[in-house]
Amino acid sequence: ETGVTQTPRHLVMGMTNKKSLKCEQHLGHNAMYWYKQSAKKPLELMFVYNFKEQTENNSVPSRFSPECPNSSHLFLHLHTLQPEDSALYLCASSHEGHLSYNEQFFGPGTRLTVL
Amino acid sequence: GDSVTQMEGPVTLSEEAFLTINCTYTATGYPSLFWYVQYPGEGLQLLLKATKADDKGSNKGFEATYRKETTSFHLEKGSVQVSDSAVYFCALSDLENNAGNMLTFGGGTRLMVKP
Repeated sequence: ETGVTQTPRHLVMGMTNKKSLKCEQHLGHNAMYWYKQSAKKPLELMFVYNFKEQTENNSVPSRFSPECPNSSHLFLHLHTLQPEDSALYLCASSHEGHLSYNEQFFGPGTRLTVL
Repeated sequence: GDSVTQMEGPVTLSEEAFLTINCTYTATGYPSLFWYVQYPGEGLQLLLKATKADDKGSNKGFEATYRKETTSFHLEKGSVQVSDSAVYFCALSDLENNAGNMLTFGGGTRLMVKP
């Protein structure tokens, strides 16, 4: 399998549930990202991992907890979410380098609905 | 900080019409510029890119020229098809500010092409 894959593609959860989103990249990249895409709002960068180390956290609430066990896998653990957290969650990866532009490759996203 | 501004959509065109989606940027460094496209139900895909002034990125009949003097990167296509209906995102990567690890996205422009 090639590219960036995300599972599940669709998720419906209650506010008291705990669930996890999974992202896997098969491109040999060393940086991975979580984005949130809500209706009528710009794409929001949530977390960035470089070489498995978190380098960016854009003031994301603690009910979202990322995990990057290796450079190919990225998780987003969810607990006690709110209905306003319903959105498309996109994962991306890239090769991070000081001398190269940053072309990010995106997965298809997980459509999350919080009831 | 860096920013990207796109024309608000939706843009509705008839098939074979000429398309322009405006994009302007603000950056303290010397950024690389991108257009990403998101088809319904999918993640973002890189459409084209330009890394220095006067470069023209092109792909699938779409073109955009990096204009440093006007800080613009407008997307154009001479004859749109129904299959071009999607959301288009302009983005920049500023190596000087963040070692190329972050993309700054515009708000996206929805294009609807009618037969």
